[in-house]
Amino acid sequence: GQNIDQPTEMTATEGAIVQINCTYQTSGFNGLFWYQQHAGEAPTFLSYNVLDGLEEKGRFSSFLSRSKGYSYLLLKELQMKDSASYLCAVVDSNYQLIWGAGTKLIIKP
Amino acid sequence: ETGVTQTPRHLVMGMTNKKSLKCEQHLGHNAMYWYKQSAKKPLELMFVYSLEERVENNSVPSRFSPECPNSSHLFLHLHTLQPEDSALYLCASSQDMENAKNIQYFGAGTRLSVL
Repeated sequence: GQNIDQPTEMTATEGAIVQINCTYQTSGFNGLFWYQQHAGEAPTFLSYNVLDGLEEKGRFSSFLSRSKGYSYLLLKELQMKDSASYLCAVVDSNYQLIWGAGTKLIIKP
Repeated sequence: ETGVTQTPRHLVMGMTNKKSLKCEQHLGHNAMYWYKQSAKKPLELMFVYSLEERVENNSVPSRFSPECPNSSHLFLHLHTLQPEDSALYLCASSQDMENAKNIQYFGAGTRLSVL
């Protein structure tokens, strides 16, 4: 079966760094997405990785290792507005998105 | 503002009611999706339309009936729902379906409660 695993909830402090992990087992791989979803709002696109390595985009970075079936989202200089759920999703061999259950990130002052 | 608008934002209905959810996208996309989001569960893909034709129906009960009259609008008609159907229903659109980097743009969802 296809499976995406990510922690259910994480807590971090304002100004700090947090890493949200995602591991996957899917039938084929055509890339991995990270989305951010604030409570009561639409999920919004953060990043897409298809090649191994780290991609940086401002305070947010996303890393992929295809051989390990592993990705992480790194958030630096945390702000209160970063409190949200972070969704990991993999594009399988049929170009279908397989979603994780999301990680709820709580930022404390 | 994501360019995808869903109405209503909240809906409470009894098990014998009939209601419809509406989604409109202003992005000129060719593909539209309905998802169900339940607490602490992955997004469940329900239906996919590409160029107004249904291309995916993931074993969704017949009490959910989609309609795509044109490439900008998508409806989800609901009838005789069950309490376990209570969830957030999300609509999304994307440029097409054949591209791996196929960013989906979501609406804010309709929070449905079935009593």
